[in-house]
Amino acid sequence: EVQVVESGGGLVQPGGSLRLSCATSGFTFRYYAMNWVRQAPGKGLEWVSAISDSGDGTYYADSVKGRFTISRDNSKNTLYLQMNSLRAEDTALYYCAKELSSTRCVGSCYYYHMDVWGKGTTVTISS
Amino acid sequence: QSALTQPPSASGSPGQSVTISCTGTSSDLGGYNSVSWYQQHPGKAPKLLIYEVSQRPSGVPDRFSGSRSGNTASLTVSGLQADDEADYYCSSYAGSNNRVFGGGTKLTVL
Repeated sequence: EVQVVESGGGLVQPGGSLRLSCATSGFTFRYYAMNWVRQAPGKGLEWVSAISDSGDGTYYADSVKGRFTISRDNSKNTLYLQMNSLRAEDTALYYCAKELSSTRCVGSCYYYHMDVWGKGTTVTISS
Repeated sequence: QSALTQPPSASGSPGQSVTISCTGTSSDLGGYNSVSWYQQHPGKAPKLLIYEVSQRPSGVPDRFSGSRSGNTASLTVSGLQADDEADYYCSSYAGSNNRVFGGGTKLTVL
């Protein structure tokens, strides 16, 4: 079964740091780009960051650029999100999401769609 | 990276059809085929319903269909069922490896 499981959330003071992890299984992790998406309490989905299959390419929403760093360890099938200089507005449920098509896809390949999501990990920024 | 525009709410009676719109610009939704729709039930993770404007993943009923005209994409839910009551989000590629979501639409089955 294809699965992604987030962890590492918690309560942090403004200005603090936190590292989220996303453990994956059931698919060839190193062949897929991955994403982080967040959802503030009672609000909609917000794309946060994405990383290429090799980790060479990293991409960020303007709201987190310069403060968050996405990375991956393909030997451990794990995705990370290092979050620094945290603000109250970063309070949210953070989801890890797998891209639909592998970068090794042949034929009909569809990118920038997220087909497997975890249950999320909650990040609360408060003093 | 402005969010795509969705109506905050939509509703329909069981068996009816409902269409949810999602408006962007030529720099995102109107410029790429990477348009998706997600369904999210309360307290649950989002689920991919539609990808590449109108494609359905395996297991998604054909009651769900997607389309696009210019800078507006649409999700149509036919034969409404009680379990269709959920939040629906559109998403699009926005260039430079960025993605953008819509604000979400709460679908109520009357």
